[in-house]
Amino acid sequence: ETGVTQTPRHLVMGMTNKKSLKCEQHLGHNAMYWYKQSAKKPLELMFVYSLEERVENNSVPSRFSPECPNSSHLFLHLHTLQPEDSALYLCASSQESGEQFFGPGTRLTVL
Amino acid sequence: AQSVAQPEDQVNVAEGNPLTVKCTYSVSGNPYLFWYVQYPNRGLQFLLKYITGDNLVKGSYGFEAEFNKSQTSFHLKKPSALVSDSALYFCAVRDEHSGAGSYQLTFGKGTKLSVIP
Repeated sequence: ETGVTQTPRHLVMGMTNKKSLKCEQHLGHNAMYWYKQSAKKPLELMFVYSLEERVENNSVPSRFSPECPNSSHLFLHLHTLQPEDSALYLCASSQESGEQFFGPGTRLTVL
Repeated sequence: AQSVAQPEDQVNVAEGNPLTVKCTYSVSGNPYLFWYVQYPNRGLQFLLKYITGDNLVKGSYGFEAEFNKSQTSFHLKKPSALVSDSALYFCAVRDEHSGAGSYQLTFGKGTKLSVIP
């Protein structure tokens, strides 16, 4: 788990706030992912970056904005979120499309 | 399209007994199959994968999984369960024909394993 780190681990924000989630991978991988995990729902893939280019965008609302400045770092910028966006946000990385390694997640609560 | 099903929301097993967590899949080509485990308030940890080769795959923490093409299954097994194995287990699949550079894994809903002392 130390291969992929996420900050912050917990975040509480109001619907009018702007915040960012950060992910860093220390595994030398070339692909990074954002997932949303809500209670009693399957893991939802949000975004995929390969070699710093976005290759998947699964119909995610524009209030979520990803950024991948290099192959080791991934951000998820949040603005004007809704209470239903409260969830565990997981970052992962992989080499090509091999097995993915996950970070510990950010527990997000939107008030 | 690719899909995966974990038919049991919860599995209870006594410590020391063998455990099985079930997974079935659907893909148009050959499957790439994965098992992950998630402990409370943690991310998913990779356990094992099947790409090709032997149908019995061995992974971390004494877990193994058997690929059965005719039954389109990839059940996770362990000969002797430990209390510390109690966690949420996810099966995932990717279709080898999902396209070059396709990164999308489809995950099951997860099975909660409880090992009773």
